[in-house]
Amino acid sequence: DAEITQSPRHKITETGRQVTLACHQTWNHNNMFWYRQDLGHGLRLIHYSYGVQDTNKGEVSDGYSVSRSNTEDLPLTLESAASSQTSVYFCASSVEGGKQYFGPGTRLTVT
Amino acid sequence: AQTVTQSQPEMSVQEAETVTLSCTYDTSESNYYLFWYKQPPSRQMILVIRQEAYKQQNATENRFSVNFQKAAKSFSLKISDSQLGDTAMYFCAFMKQGGSEKLVFGKGTKLTVNP
Repeated sequence: DAEITQSPRHKITETGRQVTLACHQTWNHNNMFWYRQDLGHGLRLIHYSYGVQDTNKGEVSDGYSVSRSNTEDLPLTLESAASSQTSVYFCASSVEGGKQYFGPGTRLTVT
Repeated sequence: AQTVTQSQPEMSVQEAETVTLSCTYDTSESNYYLFWYKQPPSRQMILVIRQEAYKQQNATENRFSVNFQKAAKSFSLKISDSQLGDTAMYFCAFMKQGGSEKLVFGKGTKLTVNP
């Protein structure tokens, strides 16, 4: 069955370190998204991509970057982790106008 | 920019009863989609229901139905015969049709179903 996976599921890192969160989907969807979820804010869009070599900034993109070298993967990189980036991160994929399929989430703690 | 407002941070309901979660949104677009997502304690985001704005008929999925009022920009979710497994965070979301495919989420309503 097609699926979307995220790794790691939990991560603790120190302030200033570079961190990469992986997202892999086997739906063959062109569209992929990264969100962060914080109490009182719902889900907010960080970056998104419509296809290979395409990336776009979302609502809260400062301090984050993504790259899309193939259809299946959209890794999210925190260049220099900050305590404000402690959050739960969700990856999602979709086809046009359709349902977004979400991964299980990654809980990141920056100490 | 679109905004989505869920005015009820928390709600509770007795098992087998009916509950309605509110959602309003602000947009100048004519064509769009609206969604309700459920997030149980497992954290997995699950699509509950999807509504296309050009359709006047309200979407239904088993015990879940919506009351879509386009002029009022209102999109409430009704859960009938509530079950313990319905305990979750519920998020209302907006997507512009034919555009960026981005979802704009409300802040969520925490629903607790009591036995």
